[in-house]
Amino acid sequence: DIQMTQSPSSLSASVGDRVTITCRASQSISSYLNWYQQKPGKAPKLLIYAASSLQSGVPSRFSGSGSGTDFTLTISSLQPEDFATYYCQQSYSWNTFGQGTKLEIK
Amino acid sequence: QVQLVQSGAEVKKPGSSVKVSCKASGGTFSSYTISWVRQAPGQGLEWMGRIIPILGIANYAQKFQGRVTITADKSTSTAYMELSSLRSEDTAVYYCASGTAAAGTNYWGQGTLVTVSS
Repeated sequence: DIQMTQSPSSLSASVGDRVTITCRASQSISSYLNWYQQKPGKAPKLLIYAASSLQSGVPSRFSGSGSGTDFTLTISSLQPEDFATYYCQQSYSWNTFGQGTKLEIK
Repeated sequence: QVQLVQSGAEVKKPGSSVKVSCKASGGTFSSYTISWVRQAPGQGLEWMGRIIPILGIANYAQKFQGRVTITADKSTSTAYMELSSLRSEDTAVYYCASGTAAAGTNYWGQGTLVTVSS
């Protein structure tokens, strides 16, 4: 199975900050990388697919980049509703999720 | 718009099995890929396997091989996930979800809590 490693595992930031989360695959996955946001007690929500495509209805402050093995999720200006846990997922060979990044209010 | 509705919470004894259902509406069921993802309390997301109903083919994560069976009934647009030889570590919320490799997993069920306890 392809392993996905996210960093950091947790992050404290303030409203208005720019934050970046990284995800590394154990082998090349081309652009088959997706990002999800999850809030407590809720199902994950798709934010970015194919590494850099914004899912319909997701605010433009979210962006993704990368290909091959290294990927990033960037939130350009944090809003109060963005404090949540974020997961990357590879869909190149079946699926694997990263371990998650908990974004907390500083 | 695809909607996925899962069966209700379950409490099971260690060593037993559980079968969770996921009924789909909207779109064309046979053309979906239905995946099962679980989340233990306070932990991350864990992909268990998937099925393509039109092909009837299921694939499983190595960790769950031999213990999980994913099936689909095209006549009722329902997918099932059965996990056997349950142990306390299998206590988790189990989600069904639908999407594609190229466009991510866009549709999620509401989740089913499975508690394994003696």
